[in-house]
Amino acid sequence: EVQLVESGGGAVRPGGSLRLSCVGSGFTFDDYGMSWVRQVPGRELEWVAGLNWNGESTGYAESVEGRVTISRDNAKNSLYLQMESLRAEDTALYFCARGRGSGSYEALDVWGQGTTVTVSS
Amino acid sequence: VVVTQFPGTLSLSPGERATLSCRASPSISSTYIAWYQKKPGQAPRLLIFGTSSRAPGIPDRFSGSGSGTDFTLTISRLEPEDFAVYFCQQYGIFPLTFGGGTRVESK
Repeated sequence: EVQLVESGGGAVRPGGSLRLSCVGSGFTFDDYGMSWVRQVPGRELEWVAGLNWNGESTGYAESVEGRVTISRDNAKNSLYLQMESLRAEDTALYFCARGRGSGSYEALDVWGQGTTVTVSS
Repeated sequence: VVVTQFPGTLSLSPGERATLSCRASPSISSTYIAWYQKKPGQAPRLLIFGTSSRAPGIPDRFSGSGSGTDFTLTISRLEPEDFAVYFCQQYGIFPLTFGGGTRVESK
């Protein structure tokens, strides 16, 4: 079964840091580009960051540029999102998603169930 | 690229046709428009990619069309399980962007 499982969410104070992880299984991980997408419940989806199959092409939403870093370890079938200087507006459910192909510019065809990040004092 | 969806809410009955609109500004290649379905407590589900190609397993009552700045998702006959929120996305230019969503609710 093709699957993505996120972890690493939690409660953190403003200005704090978190590292989200996502492990893929049931497919050849390094054949695909990957993304992080977040959603405040009841609101729109927001693409956060994405990268291609080898991590050499990355992109970020303007709202997080300079504060987050997306990376991957293909040997571990893993995707990461390092988040720094967290703000209240970063509070959301964070989804890991697989692109349909190996590039950075892909529709997202497989999604995890998400991990919740709460930024509050 | 700013992606705008309208209407915000569609109130329809099962069996009716749903037409959802998505506008991209500036224009985007039709290669890079996708539609997703989102239900509470579930992950988003890819319905359409490349403006008009159905993802595997998606029923043929879902269809996509459009070009340039204007794109459409059509659900030919609503089934009970189709009542959900639908998001349009452009994935051709960083940062990738989603529209604000259209809620399809039961009348």
